[in-house]
Formats: sequence, structure tokens, C-alpha cells
Amino acid sequence: EDQVTQSPEALRLQEGESSSLNCSYTVSGLRGLFWYRQDPGKGPEFLFTLYSAGEEKEKERLKATLTKKESFLHITAPKPEDSATYLCAVRYGGSQGNLIFGKGTKLSVKP
Amino acid sequence: DTEVTQTPKHLVMGMTNKKSLKCEQHMGHRAMYWYKQKAKKPPELMFVYSYEKLSINESVPSRFSPECPNSSLLNLHLHALQPEDSALYLCASSQDGGGDTEAFFGQGTRLTVV
Repeated sequence: EDQVTQSPEALRLQEGESSSLNCSYTVSGLRGLFWYRQDPGKGPEFLFTLYSAGEEKEKERLKATLTKKESFLHITAPKPEDSATYLCAVRYGGSQGNLIFGKGTKLSVKP
Repeated sequence: DTEVTQTPKHLVMGMTNKKSLKCEQHMGHRAMYWYKQKAKKPPELMFVYSYEKLSINESVPSRFSPECPNSSLLNLHLHALQPEDSALYLCASSQDGGGDTEAFFGQGTRLTVV
């Protein structure tokens, strides 16, 4: 069973069409949930860290939220340059500091 | 500055070659990581160094040999690789290995084994 599940696998939006990406986790003792953006052939770029339920972080058109079972990455009025794969990762009590990644959501924003 | 620098960006090597991947960070981070990423898959952990000591080895074959010469540098020595080892190799660092902080990734080395 996957410890971190992201949905949808792929999302196609029109420019300006807001939406949300989901990351659900089943680990206990969460020590941090992390969102990354990855462009093809590049390393993941850090976006947000969330530690506790109810926490929210914002950066430009992106807003990340956290509950006890899942996190959402809300994208408001996306632009074509927001097209990328968005990865969610967690650290938890049993992971020895390792980041456990979900499989990612590939976002395509068409002009 | 949140930069992790990896060299080379691209590497093509034969199955009998020996090569090394290099990673450098100057953020004062005390944990450094090697990840392997295949196409359309998430990164998979290979090794973790915490305070310059190997703390995690995720059952990686011995043809991959990590080295941490000091707190800013991390190497991955490659020998007798197989074509299935072709992948994007990512280095990352974080403030400490057992902590809760985010990891910052380099741009990766695209390795092709022929």
C-alpha cells in the first residue's frame, strides 16, 4: 500500500482555470509534508513545507493546505508556465528522515 | 542561497568504465542525499549522509559507492554499471538528516549506460 497518494495523475487546465491537486497520506507521526515542482529533466524545486493540520502557505498563484489525512495544492488562475509535475513528499516518525514521495501530478496549462 | 550544484549535467559511460558524480552545497546543511529517478517515476532514495557519516543505504548494489569528503561535498562513484542503471541522479541536502526540514535538490546528472 502506498503511503503517499497523489491525484489526479494528470490534469489539463485552460489558462485562468483554477483547480486543486490532492496528496493523501497514511503514515502516522507526520513530521512534515513537502510540495515540490519538477520540470522535465530537472531536479525538484522546493515549494512549501507544512507541519500541522490547519496550516496554510502561499506563493504567487499557489496555496498549500494541510489536514490530518491530506494536503491540497490550490492553483489560482494558472498560466502556461505553471505546467510541470508537482510532487508531494512526507517525513514521518519511521522514515529515518527520508522523504517518501508520491507519484506526482502532471499539470498542463494551455493558453 | 538554496543552491545544490551537481556535475556533470550529462554522462555517458560504458559498462566497464569508472566514473564519479559530484555534488556541492554551501548552505551549512549537515545531511546530504543521493536519489535515483527513472522516467515518469518519483525519486527513490539511495543513500543518506548525516554529519558526514553514512546513515542510510537503501540496499543499493555495490557498483554504486558513495563518499562524503566533507560537510559540503558528496560524491557517487560508479563502476561496472548496467544499462538499467541509466537514470537521472539527484543530490539533495537538508539542515539535518533526522530532522523535519525540507530538502533542496540539485539539477541532477542524466546518466546513460551503454
